[in-house]
Amino acid sequence: AQSVTQLDSHVSVSEGTPVLLRCNYSSSYSPSLFWYVQHPNKGLQLLLKYTSAATLVKGINGFEAEFKKSETSFHLTKPSAHMSDAAEYFCVVTEGGGYNKLIFGAGTRLAVHP
Amino acid sequence: KAGVTQTPRYLIKTRGQQVTLSCSPISGHRSVSWYQQTPGQGLQFLFEYFSETQRNKGNFPGRFSGRQFSNSRSEMNVSTLELGDSALYLCASSLSGGINTGELFFGEGSRLTVL
Repeated sequence: AQSVTQLDSHVSVSEGTPVLLRCNYSSSYSPSLFWYVQHPNKGLQLLLKYTSAATLVKGINGFEAEFKKSETSFHLTKPSAHMSDAAEYFCVVTEGGGYNKLIFGAGTRLAVHP
Repeated sequence: KAGVTQTPRYLIKTRGQQVTLSCSPISGHRSVSWYQQTPGQGLQFLFEYFSETQRNKGNFPGRFSGRQFSNSRSEMNVSTLELGDSALYLCASSLSGGINTGELFFGEGSRLTVL
């Protein structure tokens, strides 16, 4: 069965320092993986997606993620945090072949300090 | 291009009542999916509609239902409300691939409080 584990419920960084949000997945088939961001009192916005093409995926707002099959990981990174990056981030998986639902991680709340 | 619109944004109901939430997708999007977000359970998929038919379904009881109209607008209904139904209900729209592609556009949600 599919599952997604976000390893940190909260991450705090200083503005201008790198961001690392960790995600591990479990999937029986070739997964499609996504990162979504949710700002306070807003809906979710797609940051980036992996669908079996390049393993390094670039998204919006300077974020990128690397798919590592051997580690079953899909960590989200950004070289330099901005105050506007403060939000909750969700790692999401959907399976190939007969997939019928999305599985969301529990979310990681990112705080960015001046 | 207008985004996904959900109404109402906030509502308060009492136990035992029923509620209907509405979602208008982005123009041209034919898939509409619904999600429940709570602090305890996180984000959970409810169901997806495509061309007026339920295409996928999560693990929620039959009190949760939905429908989609010919203009792709969707409604979800929760009957016999329980305290645990208090949540943010999110709607997302997508082109034909829907949740299978994961490329979803979310509305800002309807926040339901059950007293």
